[in-house]
Amino acid sequence: GIQVEQSPPDLILQEGANSTLRCNFSDSVNNLQWFHQNPWGQLINLFYIPSGTKQNGRLSATTVATERYSLLYISSSQTTDSGVYFCAVGNNQGGKLIFGQGTELSVKP
Amino acid sequence: SAVISQKPSRDICQRGTSLTIQCQVDSQVTMMFWYRQQPGQSLTLIATANQGSEATYESGFVIDKFPISRPNLTFSTLTVSNLSPEDSSIYLCSFFVLAGTDTQYFGPGTRLTVL
Repeated sequence: GIQVEQSPPDLILQEGANSTLRCNFSDSVNNLQWFHQNPWGQLINLFYIPSGTKQNGRLSATTVATERYSLLYISSSQTTDSGVYFCAVGNNQGGKLIFGQGTELSVKP
Repeated sequence: SAVISQKPSRDICQRGTSLTIQCQVDSQVTMMFWYRQQPGQSLTLIATANQGSEATYESGFVIDKFPISRPNLTFSTLTVSNLSPEDSSIYLCSFFVLAGTDTQYFGPGTRLTVL
């Protein structure tokens, strides 16, 4: 099956800093999503991005499908950005997603 | 987008008992899934809940331990049977909307602690 690797596993930032999270995957995919899990466990969909670039406020994401990686950019980080960021991929397996191990982000005031 | 809810939000159960988790979506959706997130870990798919037929289980998960029902296009239940402390996890349902983008949305999760 597809392997999903995320880096870094942990990240500590000062408020206002920028960061880049990476997701590598081992096979071609037709579905890639980025999620944020807040400290209460709620999983929020950030981007559906199997290819190309999208932006939503301070967040943006780029997926280079031919090179099998995706990047999530967080600019001007805030304490509310803290939590775990997951990359999840799928490849025509009936909607099933395979999750990476996540990047745990902590933003300090 | 559709709203998805789960009940209960959390529970503490005794070893050997069972817990049934309900998942409700406020509109008809094509596909529903159940995931498990063990403490400090990522999410793992348990099964796909099929409307009107048996669920499709992933490797390592069996129907006797995780029976699933999906009587209609808006509702599903997951039962975790014969509980042991190793079952302590967050259980999340999700749905999948085939409408241009294959975006998957997750419920708020059920946090289960087994004593």
